[in-house]
Amino acid sequence: AQTVTQSQPEMSVQEAETVTLSCTYDTSENNYYLFWYKQPPSRQMILVIRQEAYKQQNATENRFSVNFQKAAKSFSLKISDSQLGDTAMYFCAFMKHRGTYKYIFGTGTRLKVLA
Amino acid sequence: GAGVSQSPSNKVTEKGKDVELRCDPISGHTALYWYRQSLGQGLEFLIYFQGNSAPDKSGLPSDRFSAERTGGSVSTLTIQRTQQEDSAVYLCASSPSLAGGSYEQYFGPGTRLTVT
Repeated sequence: AQTVTQSQPEMSVQEAETVTLSCTYDTSENNYYLFWYKQPPSRQMILVIRQEAYKQQNATENRFSVNFQKAAKSFSLKISDSQLGDTAMYFCAFMKHRGTYKYIFGTGTRLKVLA
Repeated sequence: GAGVSQSPSNKVTEKGKDVELRCDPISGHTALYWYRQSLGQGLEFLIYFQGNSAPDKSGLPSDRFSAERTGGSVSTLTIQRTQQEDSAVYLCASSPSLAGGSYEQYFGPGTRLTVT
């Protein structure tokens, strides 16, 4: 069975600085998808960034980028130029490429951006 | 367009009562998911529906939990004989067709259930 581990329950970063959130996963699959979702204090979850396992190039979305290390089964999220609005819970998630389309979520990292 | 909506936003119920939680997905989305989020925990998968296929119920924690999706749109999650450990936020998400899609999930605001 697949598992997703986020080993940092809480983190903080100064505004305008860079922070990296860690995520590791365990799977025997070769093709799959990885996601980072953000849940602000208002509760509604939104997608931050997505990575297909068959793509070697790391995904980037503006200030958000990932470091995808397939052999190490690691998928970290880097937030550059942190902003107060980045304060949220961040969840890493895994989905197999075939068969079930069930997501497996990590337990989340609470990020606080300090002014 | 409108996003995923859930009702009620908050529900307080007495132990032993039944509750129904409703989810209205984004129009045209064929996949619908239910999750449970307990305080300080991640998202626990409960069930998902994909088009006319049989739902994947593998995450339902007990036979007190059930869900249906009528007409491929609105879904209702029912919890019978509620227990205090059922207290959590219940999140619904919908996704466009899962065949060759982006697999992005669009989440609703959740229903906070408190069992007293």
